[in-house]
Amino acid sequence: GDSVTQMEGPVTLSEEAFLTINCTYTATGYPSLFWYVQYPGEGLQLLLKATKADDKGSNKGFEATYRKETTSFHLEKGSVQVSDSAVYFCAGTAGNMLTFGGGTRLMVKP
Amino acid sequence: GAGVSQSPRYKVAKRGQDVALRCDPISGHVSLFWYQQALGQGPEFLTYFQNEAQLDKSGLPSDRFFAERPEGSVSTLKIQRTQQEDSAVYLCASSLALGGWAYNEQFFGPGTRLTVL
Repeated sequence: GDSVTQMEGPVTLSEEAFLTINCTYTATGYPSLFWYVQYPGEGLQLLLKATKADDKGSNKGFEATYRKETTSFHLEKGSVQVSDSAVYFCAGTAGNMLTFGGGTRLMVKP
Repeated sequence: GAGVSQSPRYKVAKRGQDVALRCDPISGHVSLFWYQQALGQGPEFLTYFQNEAQLDKSGLPSDRFFAERPEGSVSTLKIQRTQQEDSAVYLCASSLALGGWAYNEQFFGPGTRLTVL
């Protein structure tokens, strides 16, 4: 079946540091890929998405590019803020349900 | 506007008890999904409805788990004879799309945290 492999955390960075969270997706079809974020005490929110190869999703300074050859969708941000502290989930779907990675907790220190 | 709501937010059950978890999707959303999120892990798919029809229940872990959406709106996830391994956060999501279009965003509720003692 489909699976998502995501970098394990926690990731601890200082404010204004560069962020990369790796994600790769294994599927029989051509999935759409997503990053969801879960802030403390809140529900899952869609951060960005890409529906086909070479698509770049971006939102709130975060970016991720769908690399077809590796089915990767690494999340990046050039300068993180304390308010970015949350758990980030990579997910994909080639049909109905989403398949999620295990989540990466990001902690940003001032 | 209102998002996806779930109730109760927290539920403590004794092993062997039956529980019912409710999901109110966004009005007009055709598709509804249930996911189970164990502590420290990502959500895992349980079941999917399109209107009142349950089109996929491949993720339900056992026949103790049952979900329904009789009028194509509110959904209930029922767990019979709860076990400790059922302890998790149960997430509901809805999307506007007909069918399983990958392009349509799933909006998640806050979840119900179930603890089985």
